[in-house]
Amino acid sequence: QQPVQSPQAVILREGEDAVINCSSSKALYSVHWYRQKHGEAPVFLMILLKGGEQKGHEKISASFNEKKQQSSLYLTASQLSYSGTYFCGTSTSGTYKYIFGTGTRLKVLA
Amino acid sequence: GAGVSQSPSNKVTEKGKDVELRCDPISGHTALYWYRQRLGQGLEFLIYFQGNSAPDKSGLPSDRFSAERTGESVSTLTIQRTQQEDSAVYLCASSPEGVYGYTFGSGTRLTVV
Repeated sequence: QQPVQSPQAVILREGEDAVINCSSSKALYSVHWYRQKHGEAPVFLMILLKGGEQKGHEKISASFNEKKQQSSLYLTASQLSYSGTYFCGTSTSGTYKYIFGTGTRLKVLA
Repeated sequence: GAGVSQSPSNKVTEKGKDVELRCDPISGHTALYWYRQRLGQGLEFLIYFQGNSAPDKSGLPSDRFSAERTGESVSTLTIQRTQQEDSAVYLCASSPEGVYGYTFGSGTRLTVV
């Protein structure tokens, strides 16, 4: 039931782009994305809902493909501050319970 | 409060002792969640509350784990007869009613020696 994220890790130079994928074996109702810096709590980035509505607050975009049961997070023109571990959380029903993926470690180099 | 508050921030306990971890969610947030994160690992769901009721306790690892929430506010996660494998960071999060992102607390780092 745990969603699978890919890649597991990625290293970028400042200004480069990255895509992080989150795949589920079950039909998805909604997807959350979070970023966690070392030793800190995860910080909410974005929520994607079945039907296409998207709610977020940072200059990072995402897509939600219900047919493929997959979501992708797009980081464009990456900044040093983007470094951290990215987690997707998926809900397969209309409840508020989310199961988190395996995580993707992203490091941006100057 | 302004954010989700967890206490204590660090707890070292001897194997076999009981521990209580506290979470104070954002005022007005009806949903409250507990997750566990082992070193270098992802977030493992434990339990969530909608108001004072817990519709889903499926993530609690064993009957040594229990949680309660009173007054649609503070929640306590209790671990009885702690074992070394219980060592982890225990994260609490809250959210408003509806489909919103979580706000996480800073966690309680539990070390069982």
